[in-house]
Parts: sequence; structure tokens; C-alpha cells
Amino acid sequence: DVVMTQSPLSLPVTPGEPASISCRSSQSLLDSNGYYYLDWYLQRPGQSPQLLIYWAYTRASGVPDRFSGSGSGTDFTLKISRVEAEDVGVYYCMQALQTPGTFGPGTKVDIK
Amino acid sequence: EAQLVESGGGLVQPGGSLRLSCAASGFIFGNYWMSWVRQAPGKGLEWVANMRQDGSEKSYVDSVKGRFTISRDNAQSSLYLDMNSLRAEDTAVYYCARGLYFGRFDSWGQGTLVTVSS
Repeated sequence: DVVMTQSPLSLPVTPGEPASISCRSSQSLLDSNGYYYLDWYLQRPGQSPQLLIYWAYTRASGVPDRFSGSGSGTDFTLKISRVEAEDVGVYYCMQALQTPGTFGPGTKVDIK
Repeated sequence: EAQLVESGGGLVQPGGSLRLSCAASGFIFGNYWMSWVRQAPGKGLEWVANMRQDGSEKSYVDSVKGRFTISRDNAQSSLYLDMNSLRAEDTAVYYCARGLYFGRFDSWGQGTLVTVSS
């Protein structure tokens, strides 16, 4: 199975400041079609997860442009250009290249 | 707008069985891969099983193979998860999720809680 790791696991943030979360996979997530099968999800407190980013850097419909994804191979990053209060929650990366799909352990983001 | 509503969770004894259902609306159900994802209390997300649009392909995480069965009824826009030989470690909120492939989960249900305990 592809193992996903994230860092940091806890991230206190200041509203208006940038934030960054790293995700690493144990194998390359590059498919033969040229896409990286790496998703980012946010689970706000008490809510179901929501898709933020797919194919490593494509924002899902309705996701604010302060969220961006980057990376290649086995190393990926989610960046928030200016954190807002509504961005608190747990962020998960997930690889969707191979079955079983595997999630990272999550990064808990809260306000300082 | 896509909507997914899970049902069927509850308290079950170890070794027991349960059937979860996910009712879909607001989109053409038969056009999407569907998955089950679970979350144990206070823990992270774990992908459990998925099924291709036409049901021709299905996959499971190793820990549920041989015990859980995913199925779907495209005419009824419904997804199911039959869970047998339940263990304490299966205790979790179970979400159904829609995807264009077996990732990219762009719609999630609210989840249904399964508690396995004597």
C-alpha cells in the first residue's frame, strides 16, 4: 500500500498570514496520463470532509483561490495564501493512484 | 446539487452484521464511482471500499476483505455496504462519497455511526 505522511501534524495559524502543509507519498503518484493522483480535503469541526484540490493542483468547484496545491513525484504541498477563521479544521491528503486509496494522518489547523 | 444520505448505522455486537445504505440525489448516480470512507472516533479518515459506475469493478481495504461487500443499484440511485463479522475496530462513522474515479471525492454524505460493542 502507498503510505502517506503529512507535516506538520498541528499548525497554529494567524488570520491573514500564509500557511503551508506538506504531504509525502511512499511511491510516485504520477499516472501514465500525466496527472498526479493526489487530493486534498478539509474536514471542519463536526462536518464531513470536503474536496479542496485534486490532481495535485486543480482547485475543486467553489474553493477559494487562496488555496493552492503544488508538487510532483512524491512530495506535495497545500498552501493557504491568507488564512481565514473558516479555514480551521483537519486537512488530509489522499492518494488515488492505487487501490487501496490511502489518506495521510491529517494536519490540524487552528487559530493562534 | 448532489446529495448523499447514509442510513443503517447503529449498535451491534461483535460478530454481528449490519447493512449501510446511501441514497443519492441531484445527479446521475450511474455516472460516478462510489466509495465508503470511515472515521473511527477521534481518528483520521480511512478508505474502505469502492465500486465502478457499472459495478464491474470493486475494491476493499485489506482489513475488511471477506467481511464487507459493497454493492449499488443505479436504478434506485443507492449504494450499500453489507458488513459481517463485525469487530470492535470497525466502530466508526461511515461516509459514502462520490468520485469521478476512485478518488476526487467531490460530494460526501453526513455519515452514519456504527458502534460494535457488547
